Amino acid sequence: LAKTTQPISMDSYEGQEVNITCSHNNIATNDYITWYQQFPSQGPRFIIQGYKTKVTNEVASLFIPADRKSSTLSLPRVSLSDTAVYYCLVGDTNAGKSTFGDGTTLTVKP
Amino acid sequence: EAGVAQSPRYKIIEKRQSVAFWCNPISGHATLYWYQQILGQGPKLLIQFQNNGVVDDSQLPKDRFSAERLKGVDSTLKIQPAKLEDSAVYLCASSLGDATYNEQFFGPGTRLTVL
Repeated sequence: LAKTTQPISMDSYEGQEVNITCSHNNIATNDYITWYQQFPSQGPRFIIQGYKTKVTNEVASLFIPADRKSSTLSLPRVSLSDTAVYYCLVGDTNAGKSTFGDGTTLTVKP
Repeated sequence: EAGVAQSPRYKIIEKRQSVAFWCNPISGHATLYWYQQILGQGPKLLIQFQNNGVVDDSQLPKDRFSAERLKGVDSTLKIQPAKLEDSAVYLCASSLGDATYNEQFFGPGTRLTVL
């Protein structure tokens, strides 16, 4: 099962771009990388998923280098409402499951 | 489209009592998950169902926790007897399939306090 490592916390200011990097050195060939966002008193919510290179949607971008041993979630021009915990998951297709770590707490300040 | 429904939203019990949580997944979702989330930690998978069969229950404390998913739709998670360390938020999630690239949709959770 691929283990992920993320920073425990990050601070930013409104309007800035935020990049959260996740390390997953033991990622397997068939594993996908998925990011979830969780606000207080709510369940996690899917943000973005990728396998390689770059993926972009209306919320974020996901950058995955060629060796796939890390990935970076990029949030453009954050606002106060982006304050949340962000989780990086790597799917273990052999075990049929992916595991949540303790995530990165992002605090956006005015 | 309706999301994942859970009830109750909050529950307070004393240790050694029993408690049950209910989850109704998104219609058509074959896979259902129960997670335990302790304050300050990420969600920990307790059990995963594919339709009405168990795919993974390796982290379920089977001496006190039980779960079922009758008819492959709704699910209940039971704790009997509860311990202080069971205080947590219990999250239910569902997905179309059990492949790890399937997006999981989470319910609002049930916050359990054991006194």
